[in-house]
Amino acid sequence: GESVGLHLPTLSVQEGDNSIINCAYSNSASDYFIWYKQESGKGPQFIIDIRSNMDKRQGQRVTVLLNKTVKHLSLQIAATQPGDSAVYFCAEIPKDSSYKLIFGSGTRLLVRP
Amino acid sequence: NAGVTQTPKFQVLKTGQSMTLQCAQDMNHNSMYWYRQDPGMGLRLIYYSASEGTTDKGEVPNGYNVSRLNKREFSLRLESAAPSQTSVYFCASSKSSGGGKETQYFGPGTRLLVL
Repeated sequence: GESVGLHLPTLSVQEGDNSIINCAYSNSASDYFIWYKQESGKGPQFIIDIRSNMDKRQGQRVTVLLNKTVKHLSLQIAATQPGDSAVYFCAEIPKDSSYKLIFGSGTRLLVRP
Repeated sequence: NAGVTQTPKFQVLKTGQSMTLQCAQDMNHNSMYWYRQDPGMGLRLIYYSASEGTTDKGEVPNGYNVSRLNKREFSLRLESAAPSQTSVYFCASSKSSGGGKETQYFGPGTRLLVL
């Protein structure tokens, strides 16, 4: 079946270091991917997205990389800050759907001061 | 501009009781969604509404009904609550009404406990 999963349930990094959060997806037909950040007690917050015709997209301090060959998605956060501590979800929308957002189970990012 | 708002924030129900979760968005978005999130898991789609007047089932629709009251409001109803429906419920909206894939923006959630 369709699924989006994450390799590491918890990632601990030193403040100021770069963070890399990984995600494997199984639906090779998905053509739109999104990273969300969810802080405790809040709803998911959009971070960055990427479409399947791209392999890299950069935002403010964040970069998403898409490797369609191995069906792998990663989120890189530069100069990680305490405010980046949260759970990060990758999500995908299959090619045959405009609405079916499939979420992975999440990775918790802990930033050490 | 409040984005997506949800009421109530918290609710405790007894098994068999009914309730309606309310959601509204002020972004003039066409599509709206209801998700549930269980501990340590990602969100799962319950129902969605691609545009005003239409609703469709998502991944886990059993035990729920929805109403797209108007373009702004999308409600989720539990007719007879069960302990398995204990969860955090998120409403979301997106601009597109078909064809295009757009980012979904989420509300703060409703925490529901069914005893």
